[in-house]
Amino acid sequence: AQKVTQAQTEISVVEKEDVTLDCVYETRDTTYYLFWYKQPPSGELVFLIRRNSFDEQNEISGRYSWNFQKSTSSFNFTITASQVVDSAVYFCALRIDTGFQKLVFGTGTRLLVSP
Amino acid sequence: DSGVTQTPKHLITATGQRVTLRCSPRSGDLSVYWYQQSLDQGLQFLIQYYNGEERAKGNILERFSAQQFPDLHSELNLSSLELGDSALYFCASSGTGFTDTQYFGPGTRLTVL
Repeated sequence: AQKVTQAQTEISVVEKEDVTLDCVYETRDTTYYLFWYKQPPSGELVFLIRRNSFDEQNEISGRYSWNFQKSTSSFNFTITASQVVDSAVYFCALRIDTGFQKLVFGTGTRLLVSP
Repeated sequence: DSGVTQTPKHLITATGQRVTLRCSPRSGDLSVYWYQQSLDQGLQFLIQYYNGEERAKGNILERFSAQQFPDLHSELNLSSLELGDSALYFCASSGTGFTDTQYFGPGTRLTVL
């Protein structure tokens, strides 16, 4: 079975601090996809990034960066110079490479950025 | 804006009632997924449709059913509602490619009183 663990329930930082959100996943499949979604206070789920299991290259997009390490089954998300608008719940999700395309979500990490 | 629309945004009803949630996928997307987000269960997959046919089922109760119509919009029907059905219901859609990303709608918040 697949499982995603986000051990950090809530993180509070002050604006301009860097923050890393942890994600650990479990799957026996060799081909899978990892995702991060953001859920701001308004409630919608916003797609941030997708990674496949064969691509361990780290990615940077503006203030966001992602570190994928298959050796530790982790897909961590770092926000550099956090801003108040980054306050949200962030979900890590896993999808395996079969006809069953459901996403398995972690429990989410609530990030609170104060001014 | 993901391009996925859901109506209504909010729904308040009583126990025992039946409601219908509606979802329109992004233009060109053939797959529609339904997820439930509740405080105790988190985000859980309910069901997937692809081009009008049921593709996969998750933790969907027998009191719940869904369908996808020829114009590709989907409806999730919830009947004999219980207090525990109060949740945020999301619809997502993805394209024809197997590896396509799921994009989520704004959700329908259901409150059962």
